[in-house]
Amino acid sequence: DIVLTQSPLSSPVTLGQPASISCRSSQTFVYSDGNTYFNWLHQRPGQPPRLLIYKISNRISGVPDRFSGSGAGTDFTLKISRVEAEDVGIYYCMQATEFPHTFGQGTKLEIK
Amino acid sequence: QEQLVQFGGGVVQPGRSLRLSCAASGFSFRSHGMHWVRQAPGKGLEWVAVIWYDGSNKYYADSVKGRFTVSRDNSQNTLYLQMNSLRAEDTAVYYCVRWNDDRRSDLWSQGTKVTVSS
Repeated sequence: DIVLTQSPLSSPVTLGQPASISCRSSQTFVYSDGNTYFNWLHQRPGQPPRLLIYKISNRISGVPDRFSGSGAGTDFTLKISRVEAEDVGIYYCMQATEFPHTFGQGTKLEIK
Repeated sequence: QEQLVQFGGGVVQPGRSLRLSCAASGFSFRSHGMHWVRQAPGKGLEWVAVIWYDGSNKYYADSVKGRFTVSRDNSQNTLYLQMNSLRAEDTAVYYCVRWNDDRRSDLWSQGTKVTVSS
């Protein structure tokens, strides 16, 4: 199985400041169509997860452009250019290339 | 409005069975693969199973293989998860999730809680 390791596990951030979350994979995972199916999700307390970014860097419709995804191979990053109060919660990386689909442990974003 | 609404869940004794249902509306259910994902209390997300749009393929996590069965009724726009031989470690909130183009898990249900306890 592909293991995804996120860092940091907790990230206290000041409102208006940037934040960055890293996700490292135990192996590369390129699908037969040449794509790397890597996603970022956000979960607020008591809510289901919500997909933010798919295929490494594509924002879902309605996701603010302060969120950006990047990376390749085994290293991926989610960046928030200016953190807002609504961004608190847990962020998960996820690979959807191979079964079983796997998730990172989650990174808790909180406001200082 | 696109949505997934779950039914079922609750408290069940170890070794017993439970079936979860997930009703889809607002989109063409028969055109999409569907996943089940679970989240144990205070823990992260764990993928459980997937079923192709037409039911032709199914895959399971090793932790549930042989005990859980995913199925669907496209005429009723409903996804199911039959859970047998339940264990304490199956205690979790279970989500049904739409699988869209580009392998996006882009629509999640509100989740239903399953507690396995004597």
